[in-house]
Amino acid sequence: DVKVTQSSRYLVKRTGEKVFLECVQDMDHENMFWYRQDPGLGLRLIYFSYDVKMKEKGDIPEGYSVSREKKERFSLILESASTNQTSMYLCASSFPTAGNSPLHFGNGTRLTVT
Amino acid sequence: GIQVEQSPPDLILQEGANSTLRCNFSDSVNNLQWFHQNPWGQLINLFYIPSGTKQNGRLSATTVATERYSLLYISSSQTTDSGVYFCAAWIKAAGNKLTFGGGTRVLVKP
Repeated sequence: DVKVTQSSRYLVKRTGEKVFLECVQDMDHENMFWYRQDPGLGLRLIYFSYDVKMKEKGDIPEGYSVSREKKERFSLILESASTNQTSMYLCASSFPTAGNSPLHFGNGTRLTVT
Repeated sequence: GIQVEQSPPDLILQEGANSTLRCNFSDSVNNLQWFHQNPWGQLINLFYIPSGTKQNGRLSATTVATERYSLLYISSSQTTDSGVYFCAAWIKAAGNKLTFGGGTRVLVKP
């Protein structure tokens, strides 16, 4: 079975802090994604990556950056956390061609910014 | 714009009942996926189904790409089926990425 692991289940950070959300997958997937999920707004794509050191902006990249130094790891970075970034963050991966393979999600990180 | 719409938005079932969830999409799709989000927030991929019919236990799904819809069938529902069901369509016209529907919230009562 595919395993996508997010480093934290719950996280509380202060406004202005730099926040790192880590995601690791164990299936050698090329494609990795970061979504956020908010009530009434559904799942929205923040950033995605189709290869090491490659990144593409999704629908709502503002206030976020990403890093993919190794194939199995995709990190989401909140440069200066704000209260409107309080949300559920979901990492996902897929293989081999992004449009033609199932997407697998991690358990999610519920981030609260105070 | 590109749309993926699910119906109904909410569904309450008595344990043992059958039900059908619908997903309509506004453009041609490369593939269609169904997910179940449990009450703890975990999203599980149920089906990867660009066309045709697939079955997995009490769940089955059918996608008719030419008519731009997909159906998810739940038979003999159980309380563990509760949660939110999402469909997601990979649409080239939407920038070659998955577009998620708004979800159907299902509550199965014992």
